[in-house]
Parts: sequence; structure tokens; C-alpha cells
Amino acid sequence: DIVMTQTPLSSPVTLGQSASISCRSSQSLVHSDGNTYLSWLQQRPGQPPRLLIYKISNRFSGVPDRFSGSGAGTDFTLKISRVEAEDVGVYYCMQTTQFPLTFGGGTRVEIK
Amino acid sequence: QEQLVESGGGVVQPGRSLTLSCGASGFTFRSYGMHWIRQAPGKGLEWVATIWFDGSKKYYADSVKGRFIVSRDNPENTLYLQMSSLRVEDTAVYYCARLVGPAGGEVTDPWGPGIPVTVSS
Repeated sequence: DIVMTQTPLSSPVTLGQSASISCRSSQSLVHSDGNTYLSWLQQRPGQPPRLLIYKISNRFSGVPDRFSGSGAGTDFTLKISRVEAEDVGVYYCMQTTQFPLTFGGGTRVEIK
Repeated sequence: QEQLVESGGGVVQPGRSLTLSCGASGFTFRSYGMHWIRQAPGKGLEWVATIWFDGSKKYYADSVKGRFIVSRDNPENTLYLQMSSLRVEDTAVYYCARLVGPAGGEVTDPWGPGIPVTVSS
């Protein structure tokens, strides 16, 4: 199974500043079709998860451009620029390259 | 509007069975694979099962293999999760989600609001 490791566990951030979350996979997420199926999800308190980023760096419909994804192979990063109050929640990376699908443990973003 | 809504959750004793449903609307259900994903209280997300658009392929997490069965009724736009021999550790909020694309999905969206299942004596 592919293990997804997220850091940090918690990220206190000042409004208007940036936050960065790292996700590392135990093996390459490059699929046989050449694509890398790494997604980022946001879960606000009391809400279901919501897709933010797919295939490393593609913003999903309706996602503000403050959210950006980058990386390759086994190392990936989600960056939140100009953090707003509505960004508070837990962020998960998820790999869908191979079964079993696996998630990172989550990073809690909170306002200082 | 593309929407998923889970139902059928509740409190059940260990060793008993329960079937969850996920109703789809606003999109062509029969064209998409579907996931079940769960979240234990205060914990992270755990993938449970996936079924191909036509039901031809099914995948399960080791933690539920042999106890849970995923199925679908395309004419009724409904996804199911039959859970048997339930354990305390199956207690979680269960989400259904649509997968778009190859492998386990390029895009996982939308998600349902989730339905709680509590396994307790």
C-alpha cells in the first residue's frame, strides 16, 4: 500500500499570510498512463471533504486561485496564499493512482 | 446540480448488519464509478470501497474485505454498501463520492454530506 505522510500536523497562520502543506508518498504516484493522481481536499468543521486540487496542480471548479498545488513523483505541496478565515479546516492529500486509495493524515489550518 | 445523499445509517450492535444507500441526482449516474469513504470520530479519511460505472470491477480495503459488499442499481441511480459482521471499529461517518477518470479517479467529486454509523452494544 502507498503510505501518504503529511506535514505539519497543524499550521497556525496569520490572516493574509501564506500556509504551506507537504505530502510525501512512499512510492511514485506516476500512473502507467503518465499522469500523477494526487489530489488535495479541504474539510471545514462539520462539513464533508471538498476537492480543491487534482492531478497535482489543477484547481477544481470554483476553487479560488489562492490555492495552488505543486510537486512531482513522491513529493507534493499545497500552498494557500493570503489565508482567509474561511480557509480554517483540515487539509488532506489523497492518492488515486493505485488501489487501495490512501490519504495523508491531515493538516489542521487555524488562524493565529 | 450534481448531488449525492447517503441514507440508512444508525446504531447497530456488533456482529449485526446494515445497508447504506447513496442516491445520485443531477448527473448520469451509470457513467461514473463511485467510492465509499469513511471517517471515524475525530480521525482522518479512510477509503472503503470502489465500484466501476457498470459494476464490473469492485475494490475493497483490507479492513472490510469479506464483510462489506458494494453494489449499484443504475436505473435507480443508487449506490449501496452492505455491511455485515460489523465491529466497533466500523463506527464512522460514511461518505459516498463520485470518481471521474481512470485509475481510482482523476477527480473525486461531488461528495455526499455523510451518514453516521455507530456500532455499539
